[in-house]
Amino acid sequence: DADVTQTPRNRITKTGKRIMLECSQTKGHDRMYWYRQDPGLGLRLIYYSFDVKDINKGEISDGYSVSRQAQAKFSLSLESAIPNQTALYFCATSDPRQSYTDTQYFGPGTRLTVL
Amino acid sequence: AQSVTQLDSQVPVFEEAPVELRCNYSSSVSVYLFWYVQYPNQGLQLLLKYLSGSTLVKGINGFEAEFNKSQTSFHLRKPSVHISDTAEYFCAVTPNAGKSTFGDGTTLTVKP
Repeated sequence: DADVTQTPRNRITKTGKRIMLECSQTKGHDRMYWYRQDPGLGLRLIYYSFDVKDINKGEISDGYSVSRQAQAKFSLSLESAIPNQTALYFCATSDPRQSYTDTQYFGPGTRLTVL
Repeated sequence: AQSVTQLDSQVPVFEEAPVELRCNYSSSVSVYLFWYVQYPNQGLQLLLKYLSGSTLVKGINGFEAEFNKSQTSFHLRKPSVHISDTAEYFCAVTPNAGKSTFGDGTTLTVKP
């Protein structure tokens, strides 16, 4: 079984709809991240959480919110989706206590299309 | 703060040719250096990382990278590529126990 899972894997929605993307991990890592990937723009950090009580904005947090329900779960919400939020979204985990560094472990991605 | 520049957005090569993907970084503190690979329709996975010690680091699938502190570079190389190496490659830097900063990615396309 995959260590980092994301649901759904694909989603098509309409402008103005609320969308939630979910991420679960079985690695026991404290840190979790949400990124979006757009062609030619690489990975951009949306939000990150270093533990259950810690939530931080990344470089492109506007229009997004997150919830860290437990160590293993980190959800990303789009309160009112807009077309320029069409992208590939990745969840990742890390734990410097385990690996001495911030080696990141990625989920398979969620492809979101906003019409 | 740190930044990462991947100097080539696309690198086309023929099968069995050598390849180098270039990565430069800047940071005011010591950092660890990483290369990740993203195969089509998959998430990123670690290819190799430099923590300390020998500046030549070997990773999976025959890739290696050399850390050059004076030139603040961490270029990725493979002496002979395969079709299956077609993927997007990301360079990343991390300060000690900090969070990672990723480059914009380099698309490697291996042609028969």
